[in-house]
Amino acid sequence: SAVISQKPSRDICQRGTSLTIQCQVDSQVTMMFWYRQQPGQSLTLIATANQGSEATYESGFVIDKFPISRPNLTFSTLTVSNMSPEDSSIYLCSVLESGSRNTEAFFGQGTRLTVV
Amino acid sequence: AQSVSQHNHHVILSEAASLELGCNYSYGGTVNLFWYVQYPGQHLQLLLKYFSGDPLVKGIKGFEAEFIKSKFSFNLRKPSVQWSDTAEYFCAVKGGGSYIPTFGRGTSLIVHP
Repeated sequence: SAVISQKPSRDICQRGTSLTIQCQVDSQVTMMFWYRQQPGQSLTLIATANQGSEATYESGFVIDKFPISRPNLTFSTLTVSNMSPEDSSIYLCSVLESGSRNTEAFFGQGTRLTVV
Repeated sequence: AQSVSQHNHHVILSEAASLELGCNYSYGGTVNLFWYVQYPGQHLQLLLKYFSGDPLVKGIKGFEAEFIKSKFSFNLRKPSVQWSDTAEYFCAVKGGGSYIPTFGRGTSLIVHP
């Protein structure tokens, strides 16, 4: 299974600033995703990171707030822009190793973000 | 849109007690079903999965889950829990040819030694 490294693992940020989270996979993967996990709530999909093109965002998430890059098959970044306390959450990178639908998702350890 | 319900948000058990965590989903077509576990301070890990075949699925660490299509359920069970099973458990469903799973809210399990 893919090994996923996320940086940073946690951060405390001032409101109005931006934070970029990195996701590095040890092998080439077909699909990469970014999730948000708010306290006591489920994982919510933010977007699918597409290699070489704009990410596909879910309802309620926009590129200006959560710009995403995916320059190759092993790396992606998520930026949380102009942060407010409501952005405090755990952000998770997830991958699918193959193009088959009969496969499970793998997750990074997450980035715990606190906005003050 | 599919949805996943986990009815037990917090469960507290003593060691050796039996465990059953409920999971129901809304999608009526072919589904792939998953249980993930997140131990304190660790990343989400796959506990078990169902794609097709035997509806009783065995996973790691003695866990199993049963897919009951008529009830749209995929409940997780373990006959005798251990202190080390303390974790957050998430049910997830993929349906309709989607690559992307929908997650339940999660169940926090605390096992007292």
